[in-house]
Amino acid sequence: AQSVTQLGSHVSVSEGALVLLRCNYSSSVPPYLFWYVQYPNQGLQLLLKYTSAATLVKGINGFEAEFKKSETSFHLTKPSAHMSDAAEYFCAVRPMDTGRRALTFGSGTRLQVQP
Amino acid sequence: DVKVTQSSRYLVKRTGEKVFLECVQDMDHENMFWYRQDPGLGLRLIYFSYDVKMKEKGDIPEGYSVSREKKERFSLILESASTNQTSMYLCASSPTGAPGANVLTFGAGSRLTVL
Repeated sequence: AQSVTQLGSHVSVSEGALVLLRCNYSSSVPPYLFWYVQYPNQGLQLLLKYTSAATLVKGINGFEAEFKKSETSFHLTKPSAHMSDAAEYFCAVRPMDTGRRALTFGSGTRLQVQP
Repeated sequence: DVKVTQSSRYLVKRTGEKVFLECVQDMDHENMFWYRQDPGLGLRLIYFSYDVKMKEKGDIPEGYSVSREKKERFSLILESASTNQTSMYLCASSPTGAPGANVLTFGAGSRLTVL
C-alpha cells in the first residue's frame, strides 16, 4: 500500500526566507503526487500536481516542487516566504497503475512565517 | 467558480444521536469523497462514491455509512455518534477522465463535536 511521510509537523521561517516542506512517498511505482494548502477555517486547495509530464512542477503563489524518483521525494519549495503563506500544507499521492481514485494524504506540515 | 458545499460548518451533537452531514457539488463530477481530518493524522478516507448509488469503503469506515441518491449529493451518516467521532469532516469531488485529472476539489469542512 502506498503511503506519504511529511517530515516536520511544524516549520517556522522568517519572512523572505526559503520555504522547504518535505514529502516522501512509499510506492512500488511512481505515483501521481499533489500538494494542497489549507488556510485557517477553510477547506483544502490544490497548490500543484505531478503527473509525470515534468519533474519540476510549478504551482500557484510561487510554490514549486521537484519529483525525484531516486529519493522517492516530492519536496515543496518557495524562494521567499510571505506572511500570507502561513497555513497547513498536505502532500498526497494516488497510484498511476491502479483504478484507485482517492488520494492518500500525509499528516500535514504547519508553516509559520515570522515577521 | 466551481464549488463543493457542505451544509453545516459547525455541529454539536450528543452521544448516540444520528448525524447527517450533507455535501453538494455543482461540477457534475462522478467521484465524491468523505475524509476526516484530525491533528497529527492528516486526512483519512472514510468512504467514496464513483457513481450514483455506488459506494466503496475507505480506510476508516467503521461507525459511518453514506448515501448517494443523486449525482451531485453525497451524505455521510453517523448512525450513533460517539465522542471519538469528534472531528473535522471534509467532502471532496473529482472528475473521472484523463490520468492525473483526479484533482480533488474540497468543501470548507464540517466541524462536528460529540458530547
